[in-house]
Amino acid sequence: AQSVTQLGSHVSVSEGALVLLRCNYSSSVPPYLFWYVQYPNQGLQLLLKYTSAATLVKGINGFEAEFKKSETSFHLTKPSAHMSDAAEYFCAAGGTSYGKLTFGQGTILTVHP
Amino acid sequence: GAVVSQHPSWVICKSGTSVKIECRSLDFQATTMFWYRQFPKQSLMLMATSNEGSKATYEQGVEKDKFLINHASLTLSTLTVTSAHPEDSSFYICSASPGLAREDTQYFGPGTRLTVL
Repeated sequence: AQSVTQLGSHVSVSEGALVLLRCNYSSSVPPYLFWYVQYPNQGLQLLLKYTSAATLVKGINGFEAEFKKSETSFHLTKPSAHMSDAAEYFCAAGGTSYGKLTFGQGTILTVHP
Repeated sequence: GAVVSQHPSWVICKSGTSVKIECRSLDFQATTMFWYRQFPKQSLMLMATSNEGSKATYEQGVEKDKFLINHASLTLSTLTVTSAHPEDSSFYICSASPGLAREDTQYFGPGTRLTVL
């Protein structure tokens, strides 16, 4: 069974600083990996997804993530945080690009002026 | 882009009553829909997988007689919480997948906040 672990339930950065949200997966076979963002009382918006085509994946709003098989990681980064990035971020894994997902615990990102 | 809607967006009901939540794919046919539950300050947990025209597959620990899922068409799935109790209060989120037809990702609805008094 797959499991997804997000290190750090809360991350706080200053506006303009680097954003790094950590995600590790546990699977015998590299899964499809996703990052979603959730704003309060809203559903999930897909930021980016890894489908084995390229290890560095670029997403929306300036986010990107790098798949590292040796580290079983898929960390999310953004070079310069913006106030509008404040939200909760979920890493997820699935056996296909369109099937059921296993979610990490979520990381709340706070951006300070 | 693909749009998934949920109705209602929030509902308050009395303990013991039943509540129906609808999930619709507005601009694509969803061969599969998923129902997730999110408790406050927690992650999403998959409840069940719903395929059009067949019985839903429930995850371990989810009571199928309490959470009735119907996927009657390629654009609509419903989740009925029967005899709701306060512990069923949660944020219910559906997602819809076009499946192999597009080998695409799944799309999430905006969620339904259920509060059982």
